[in-house]
Amino acid sequence: DTAVSQTPKYLVTQMGNDKSIKCEQNLGHDTMYWYKQDSKKFLKIMFSYNNKELIINETVPNRFSPKSPDKAHLNLHINSLELGDSAVYFCASSYRTLQETQYFGPGTRLLVL
Amino acid sequence: SQQGEEDPQALSIQEGENATMNCSYKTSINNLQWYRQNSGRGLVHLILIRSNEREKHSGRLRVTLDTSKKSSSLLITASRAADTASYFCATSLFGGFQKLVFGTGTRLLVSP
Repeated sequence: DTAVSQTPKYLVTQMGNDKSIKCEQNLGHDTMYWYKQDSKKFLKIMFSYNNKELIINETVPNRFSPKSPDKAHLNLHINSLELGDSAVYFCASSYRTLQETQYFGPGTRLLVL
Repeated sequence: SQQGEEDPQALSIQEGENATMNCSYKTSINNLQWYRQNSGRGLVHLILIRSNEREKHSGRLRVTLDTSKKSSSLLITASRAADTASYFCATSLFGGFQKLVFGTGTRLLVSP
């Protein structure tokens, strides 16, 4: 059974489009995250939700909007995609706080043309 | 600025050799974690070491933490080709919902 799953795995789209990435965890964790990994493998947190409440919102363009319908799901919607948004986006979860072990999804490889 | 910096950036060894990766950080931490990322995959947690611990073992992995030097090392003994991956340290600061900050990673290549 997959612990943290993301869909889609690959996303190729044109500049200016709007796209969504979905994430689900079946671990019963309270906290979920979105990370962005750039081409140099640098991993940076974008958002974190605890029990459906936003607790971390890093300096991310407001074209990125997370949504947590319940504590097992955290989706990421991106408006007006730009070339610089091309990256791998990882969803992760942890039991309670951000300081604990985090469990990562397989990643969504976004390519904006 | 980034909290964790790994050294070396890349490491190439033969199967059976030991691999040592280092992580330095800048501010006081609550804990330090090591993760592995295989090519094209998500990160997998390896070990968490708390600020009051000095050493931890898990199978062929040994992690040390020196809070006075603000550094940690990950030792993989008797490496295997399957250990080929990128290894990241991640630090968490004190208090509440502080985030994990990931380092730049060490790319390890283990040749058969």
